[in-house]
Amino acid sequence: AQSVTQPDIHITVSEGASLELRCNYSYGATPYLFWYVQSPGQGLQLLLKYFSGDTLVQGIKGFEAEFKRSQSSFNLRKPSVHWSDAAEYFCAVGLTSNTGKLIFGQGTTLQVKP
Amino acid sequence: DAGVIQSPRHEVTEMGQEVTLRCKPISGHNSLFWYRQTMMRGLELLIYFNNNVPIDDSGMPEDRFSAKMPNASFSTLKIQPSEPRDSAVYFCASSGQGYNEQFFGPGTRLTVL
Repeated sequence: AQSVTQPDIHITVSEGASLELRCNYSYGATPYLFWYVQSPGQGLQLLLKYFSGDTLVQGIKGFEAEFKRSQSSFNLRKPSVHWSDAAEYFCAVGLTSNTGKLIFGQGTTLQVKP
Repeated sequence: DAGVIQSPRHEVTEMGQEVTLRCKPISGHNSLFWYRQTMMRGLELLIYFNNNVPIDDSGMPEDRFSAKMPNASFSTLKIQPSEPRDSAVYFCASSGQGYNEQFFGPGTRLTVL
């Protein structure tokens, strides 16, 4: 069965430090992969997505993610974290169908220390 | 584009009352999803529609929950009767033909007293 695992429930980093959020998926075919961000009291906003091609994808707000097929991973990175990045981050895998269904990970809460 | 629109944004009701949540997807999108988010259970997919037809309702918690999509621009999620454990944020999302990218609404925060 398809699944997404985000091993870290909660991460704290200092402002200006680099960030990496981990995501592992289980899916038999080539997946569509997504990272969403949810600020407190808000809906989910798409950060970036991978469909095919270059395995390093750039997103909004200075985020990037790298698809590694051999590791079944799609980790999210940012070189320098800002206080406004404090939020919950969700990794998701899309099934290769026309229905648009996504399988979401459990989420990682990012806290940024001043 | 106005994005996915949900109403109401906040709903406070008493146990036993009927609650109706509404969603207007992005124009041209053909898939619509209802999610529930709580601290305990995280983000759960309740039901999704494709071309107005329910495809998978296995996430609907029990018979008190029902969802409809009478046309491509409107969907409702109804809880009758409501219970305190239904308190959560309910999100609606939509996606277009052939794409898996979902666009989320701002959510409805439901409190059942």
